[in-house]
Amino acid sequence: NAGVMQNPRHLVRRRGQEARLRCSPMKGHSHVYWYRQLPEEGLKFMVYLQKENIIDESGMPKERFSAEFPKEGPSILRIQQVVRGDSAAYFCASSYGQVREQYFGPGTRLTVT
Amino acid sequence: ELKVEQNPLFLSMQEGKNYTIYCNYSTTSDRLYWYRQDPGKSLESLFVLLSNGAVKQEGRLMASLDTKARLSTLHITAAVHDLSATYFCAVSPYSGGGADGLTFGKGTHLIIQP
Repeated sequence: NAGVMQNPRHLVRRRGQEARLRCSPMKGHSHVYWYRQLPEEGLKFMVYLQKENIIDESGMPKERFSAEFPKEGPSILRIQQVVRGDSAAYFCASSYGQVREQYFGPGTRLTVT
Repeated sequence: ELKVEQNPLFLSMQEGKNYTIYCNYSTTSDRLYWYRQDPGKSLESLFVLLSNGAVKQEGRLMASLDTKARLSTLHITAAVHDLSATYFCAVSPYSGGGADGLTFGKGTHLIIQP
């Protein structure tokens, strides 16, 4: 049973470009969470999605960031017009069941030059 | 706003010693998680604590939860070098179950020296 998969693992973008980060949850999981980790910091919750629905986006910046989890395919975190402050590790997690334990993917490390 | 505080944030200890990491949180919650992260890696789930008085042990690590005091501890017994990592506690902001985003502490960077 494959774990949570994220790609790319490393992404370099110039200021002003768009970044697309993908997350495939564990098989059977229908809940997806995105977190951002800045250097030497803990993880900050960004958004929680179920299939075709955004459940909680209270941690998402108001501008330039969006997320989706379509009926088919991976969840996508999209960052438009990236700035240097967007450089971070972005982790996706998925969960299933009453306990709702979250399993984390390997992360995408975004560098904005 | 839920706040989660860990201490210490940095800990250097010798092999064979015991130590405890503390995690305090600011609002009612009955779900607390401990994760381990190695440098440049993802988070590995260590413990899920779901109720007051919960205690779980795995090898040299033991975690407990006191929901009344809003405190969880991660105790390390007879530390070995392989336990060197950063340890995070994370709290669910909602009581009563349901999936939701976690609030993480800043992490405890643990170095175990021979």
